[in-house]
Amino acid sequence: EVQLLESGGGLVQPGGSLRLSCAASGFTFSSYAMSWVRQAPGKGLEWVSVISGSGGSTYYADSVKGRFTISRDSSKNTLYLQMDSLRAEDTAVYYCAKGVYSSGWSMNLCSDWGQGTLVTVSS
Amino acid sequence: EIVLTQSPGTLSLSPGEGATLSCRASQSVSSSYLAWYQQKPGQAPRLLIYGASSRATGIPDRFSGSGSGTDFTLTISRLEPEDFAVYYCQQYGSSPITFGQGTRLEIK
Repeated sequence: EVQLLESGGGLVQPGGSLRLSCAASGFTFSSYAMSWVRQAPGKGLEWVSVISGSGGSTYYADSVKGRFTISRDSSKNTLYLQMDSLRAEDTAVYYCAKGVYSSGWSMNLCSDWGQGTLVTVSS
Repeated sequence: EIVLTQSPGTLSLSPGEGATLSCRASQSVSSSYLAWYQQKPGQAPRLLIYGASSRATGIPDRFSGSGSGTDFTLTISRLEPEDFAVYYCQQYGSSPITFGQGTRLEIK
């Protein structure tokens, strides 16, 4: 059974940093792309970033490019999202999601999701 | 950027009825890289349909997807109480990846 457990969310001041983690189990971690998708309170889904199974390819939404960094550690079966220069509009529940493939366009298709971690950016 | 517009915003129906949800793209979605997700309150989204018309593992056959190019449809043939939720379409074949704003399916 695929399990994804996010952690690291919390309250942070504007301009601050936070690192989210997603511990994965139940599948061969390095064989699948992984994504971060966020949802602001009461709003819809917004794709944030994706990393290929090998970790060699990463992509970002324009809204976070240059501020967020996605990475993965296959030895720990863990996905990360380093978030710097945080803004109020980054406030959201952040979900990690398992891709269907390791690479290619279909790596952006999210077959399994964690329960999310809430990030609140406020002074 | 491909903008996905879902309609209606809210759909009020009774259990047993059929539902038709629409997702229109601002430009053609390549190779039908169009997916549908279901989200219930307080829960993570769940993948229902990918490739415009293929059901994900474990999804009941009352859910079906169709369409190509810029117009896509999610059809639920006979609504069960557990189907009342918010539904999102997603295109995953063009960067940036985008979602529609969602359709809320509520009990009438």
